[in-house]
Amino acid sequence: QKEVEQNSGPLSVPEGAIASLNCTYSDRVSQSFFWYRQYSGKSPELIMSIYSNGDKEDGRFTAQLNKASQYVSLLIRDSQPSDSATYLCAVRSGGSNYKLTFGKGTLLTVNP
Amino acid sequence: ETGVTQTPRHLVMGMTNKKSLKCEQHLGHNAMYWYKQSAKKPLELMFVYSLEERVENNSVPSRFSPECPNSSHLFLHLHTLQPEDSALYLCASSQDTSGIYEQYFGPGTRLTVT
Repeated sequence: QKEVEQNSGPLSVPEGAIASLNCTYSDRVSQSFFWYRQYSGKSPELIMSIYSNGDKEDGRFTAQLNKASQYVSLLIRDSQPSDSATYLCAVRSGGSNYKLTFGKGTLLTVNP
Repeated sequence: ETGVTQTPRHLVMGMTNKKSLKCEQHLGHNAMYWYKQSAKKPLELMFVYSLEERVENNSVPSRFSPECPNSSHLFLHLHTLQPEDSALYLCASSQDTSGIYEQYFGPGTRLTVT
């Protein structure tokens, strides 16, 4: 069974610090990787996607992918209280174009 | 707002009731999805429709019955549910099922089965 594992947290960081969120996946043929942010009581919102090994930066967010280690991470620089949310890692395997396998999510709290 | 709406936002139903969840997307997308999000569990894909045709039924019990009358509307008909079916039900849409395009989620329906 294809699995996506995340530390459920909560991960607590002070305002201005770097938050590091990690995700591992079991399906070696996975091709696409996504980070969603979900505020309490709201629906998931895509914030980053990454498809090849290395780093991808978008503003304060950096996604890192290491396919050999089956590991993907999200770094949030200069964390703000508004970043407090649950971050979901999602993986699209090679066997399906549209099917995403989600992790349980990591709850991030940024303290002012 | 993502352009995907869901009604009702909250629903309480007994195990013998029949109810329906509605999803509408205003994005001109051709693919629509139902997901279930339970406490302490990952988001689970339930059904996928592409151009009104069901392309995925992810081993979902028959007490959940989807309907997609056109590419803008998606329903989830519920009957004789169990308390463990209590969850947040999320609808999503994407341009198509190629996997290239982002899935946009609606706000969800919080379902409680008593």
